[in-house]
Amino acid sequence: ETGVTQSPTHLIKTRGQQVTLRCSSQSGHNTVSWYQQALGQGPQFIFQYYREEENGRGNFPPRFSGLQFPNYSSELNVNALELDDSALYLCASSLLLGELFFGEGSRLTVL
Amino acid sequence: GEDVEQSLFLSVREGDSSVINCTYTDSSSTYLYWYKQEPGAGLQLLTYIFSNMDMKQDQRLTVLLNKKDKHLSLRIADTQTGDSAIYFCAERRNNAGNMLTFGGGTRLMVKP
Repeated sequence: ETGVTQSPTHLIKTRGQQVTLRCSSQSGHNTVSWYQQALGQGPQFIFQYYREEENGRGNFPPRFSGLQFPNYSSELNVNALELDDSALYLCASSLLLGELFFGEGSRLTVL
Repeated sequence: GEDVEQSLFLSVREGDSSVINCTYTDSSSTYLYWYKQEPGAGLQLLTYIFSNMDMKQDQRLTVLLNKKDKHLSLRIADTQTGDSAIYFCAERRNNAGNMLTFGGGTRLMVKP
């Protein structure tokens, strides 16, 4: 148990829809990172939030956006869903530059 | 292609040692990690090594780092069926914050 919880655990959407995924950080952690893990691949870094500001982004288009709240929980939003967005989305909480603690992930299927 | 590469699959017998290999390309990496992922689950940090170290041992796990060849390995002694999972190596580069670059994963199958 890492203390990082994600919701929902599974969801199905259709192309063009929008999705919001949620993450509750481990107590005391001020940084949240989001990763996308396509089937059979390693996780790919999407972005990181520190004290409610995005402070690092991977190679993902602007339709991937996020928020971090004052309690350090976070949301990942994806607009205009595409089939290739089907993946396991992993949230990790940490202190800045600290060890990452991953949640169990949200599995998104886009039809 | 990925900057961090791993072989896809490894099969061993219970009780044997397993060695999972990884190569990376960025010499500025500060920390290198090994994560375990069981079916349908998130990532579990197994161990990590700082880039100025050659070896780290933690119970059944031994990590070896060859910076010259940019090669990282994870040895699991006395492998058990519960060790069956996908193992990912990952690097944290200097000035990259919490961005980790992961390999594609090695599926370890342990036969009784």
